[in-house]
Amino acid sequence: QVTLRESGPALVKPTQTLTLTCTFSGFSLSTSGMCVSWIRQPPGKALEWLARIDWDDDKYYSTSLKTRLTISKDTSKNQVVLTMTNMDPVDTATYYCARMVEMAQFDYWGQGTLVTVSS
Amino acid sequence: QAVLTQPSSLSASPGASASLTCTLRSGINVGTYRIYWYQQKPGSPPQYLLRYKSDSDKQQGSGVPRRFSGSKDASANAGILLISGLQSEDEADYYCMIWHSSAWVFGGGTKLTVL
Repeated sequence: QVTLRESGPALVKPTQTLTLTCTFSGFSLSTSGMCVSWIRQPPGKALEWLARIDWDDDKYYSTSLKTRLTISKDTSKNQVVLTMTNMDPVDTATYYCARMVEMAQFDYWGQGTLVTVSS
Repeated sequence: QAVLTQPSSLSASPGASASLTCTLRSGINVGTYRIYWYQQKPGSPPQYLLRYKSDSDKQQGSGVPRRFSGSKDASANAGILLISGLQSEDEADYYCMIWHSSAWVFGGGTKLTVL
């Protein structure tokens, strides 16, 4: 059974760095073709893809946010970590992690974690 | 101009069909892309519906009813999600997605109201 769960602070202050962890089970990120992405959704707004990390440690980032994002994985812990620097109130959103296999589709998603940026 | 443009809202009656469009930016040829479709209901993460590139390259999501189907309109440079036999449970937000320039790109979403 595949599950993903996002964790991290519910509230961050402007200019702070956000660190989110995606803890997953039911698959291994060392398996060929496996990848995990982060996607966010501001309240009442559309989905926005942020970053992806692959089984072979290839990484991809949103063009508009790449200077602020870092994605990494700890295969032994079944975790993917996303850091986003210089947080701003416009970054207030629900942050999801999701699995993809062989560039097929996001087949499993976490329930998301709401991050509010406010002083 | 956004890479993917979706109408913000669409209304249709139960039992009718709804055609949701996803228009690619000028200069990006819809014919070369797999277009993925997701459904999202309030308070839940998106759920995968299907992907469509051509009649020979398409996939229905597991458990997704056949009344959800994908196609393209090359003249409009758009992907289409067709939902036939609309049911009240189809009321949701629908997002299209493509892999473009080494990044996943979502459309702005269409809120489908069934009334």
